[in-house]
Amino acid sequence: EAGVVQSPRYKIIEKKQPVAFWCNPISGHNTLYWYLQNLGQGPELLIRYENEEAVDDSQLPKDRFSAERLKGVDSTLKIQPAELGDSAVYLCASSLAPQGGVAEAFFGQGTRLTVV
Amino acid sequence: EDQVTQSPEALRLQEGESSSLNCSYTVSGLRGLFWYRQDPGKGPEFLFTLYSAGEEKEKERLKATLTKKESFLHITAPKPEDSATYLCAVLLSNAGNNRKLIWGLGTSLAVNP
Repeated sequence: EAGVVQSPRYKIIEKKQPVAFWCNPISGHNTLYWYLQNLGQGPELLIRYENEEAVDDSQLPKDRFSAERLKGVDSTLKIQPAELGDSAVYLCASSLAPQGGVAEAFFGQGTRLTVV
Repeated sequence: EDQVTQSPEALRLQEGESSSLNCSYTVSGLRGLFWYRQDPGKGPEFLFTLYSAGEEKEKERLKATLTKKESFLHITAPKPEDSATYLCAVLLSNAGNNRKLIWGLGTSLAVNP
């Protein structure tokens, strides 16, 4: 079974430029997460989708970050414009959780963003 | 404030030297506790879910246990390939539909041959 697929693996951009990340979750997983991870830190949730609905985006800096999950499958995360402090690894994860249930999340390899 | 603390921050073991990693939590209510392993340059890899105090789960050289205040990840006779960062995360019971996970900072484990 294919895992969570993210692209690109690495991205280097100049500050103020836009950037987009793409995620294809595990087939059938209804929940999709975008996390940010800095070196030596645990993942920090940016946004969580249940199917195509964003149910928790309280930590997403909406002035520059946006995300979408059309048709409840693939998702994109965009930053415009990027700032130096956005340099981090962006992780996508998915899970198959029944309503109110507990389920583990499976992570992709991540996209390492460097803003110069 | 809900908090998850992992200790030690870093641990260096000799091959075959068993030890334990700790994940202590102070949260309003626990629905589940997750252990993940993360290798450099990769996303976290799921290991275990624990739901209630007294529960134990095993996988190869790893055994996870849970009490009302903490979880331990016991590593028996580790091998160099067990070297990684081990992350703990707690799912809050009052999260409703938000499924809020509180993550620890991880323990970086190095096993020398």
